[in-house]
Amino acid sequence: AQSVSQHNHHVILSEAASLELGCNYSYGGTVNLFWYVQYPGQHLQLLLKYFSGDPLVKGIKGFEAEFIKSKFSFNLRKPSVQWSDTAEYFCAVNANSGYALNFGKGTSLLVTP
Amino acid sequence: KAGVTQTPRYLIKTRGQQVTLSCSPISGHRSVSWYQQTPGQGLQFLFEYFSETQRNKGNFPGRFSGRQFSNSRSEMNVSTLELGDSALYLCASSLTIRTGGRERTTNYGYTFGSGTRLTVV
Repeated sequence: AQSVSQHNHHVILSEAASLELGCNYSYGGTVNLFWYVQYPGQHLQLLLKYFSGDPLVKGIKGFEAEFIKSKFSFNLRKPSVQWSDTAEYFCAVNANSGYALNFGKGTSLLVTP
Repeated sequence: KAGVTQTPRYLIKTRGQQVTLSCSPISGHRSVSWYQQTPGQGLQFLFEYFSETQRNKGNFPGRFSGRQFSNSRSEMNVSTLELGDSALYLCASSLTIRTGGRERTTNYGYTFGSGTRLTVV
């Protein structure tokens, strides 16, 4: 079955630490990949997306993600997190043959001062 | 331009009642999709509409239904509410382009509304 897996459900980091959140998917065909962030009490915001081209994509607020097709992965990274990055992060996949987003369960990130 | 607008923001309903939620997409976006967000199940796809037609449906009971109007606005309806229907209901709109004989989401991706928080008591 098609699925999206986020390996870390809860992550706690100190400010200035580096961040990497894992995301793997199981789809056989062409995919579009997304990372969304949900700050406390706010709606989902798009961090970055991959449709085609350079597998290293840069998003807002210093985030980047790398699409590794052979590993079916799309991991999110940030070199130095800030307290304001505390939020829930969702990886999502849209199979090019479909019309919807399939989300991972989310990773709750807490950044401590 | 205005974002995706969902109304109402909050709803409290009693078990057995029905509810209708509304979503106005970004101007020019013709695809509207709905998602249910709960702490236990995360974000789950409900259905997607394009040009007044439901193109895809998630694994939800028939109590969940939706429709789309000619101006691309969409509504979803839940009948015979159960306690487990308490959730944040999110709507997303996307810009599409016709390629390969199909309307596909462009690389602008999906934009979400703020959601409707439904509480069933």
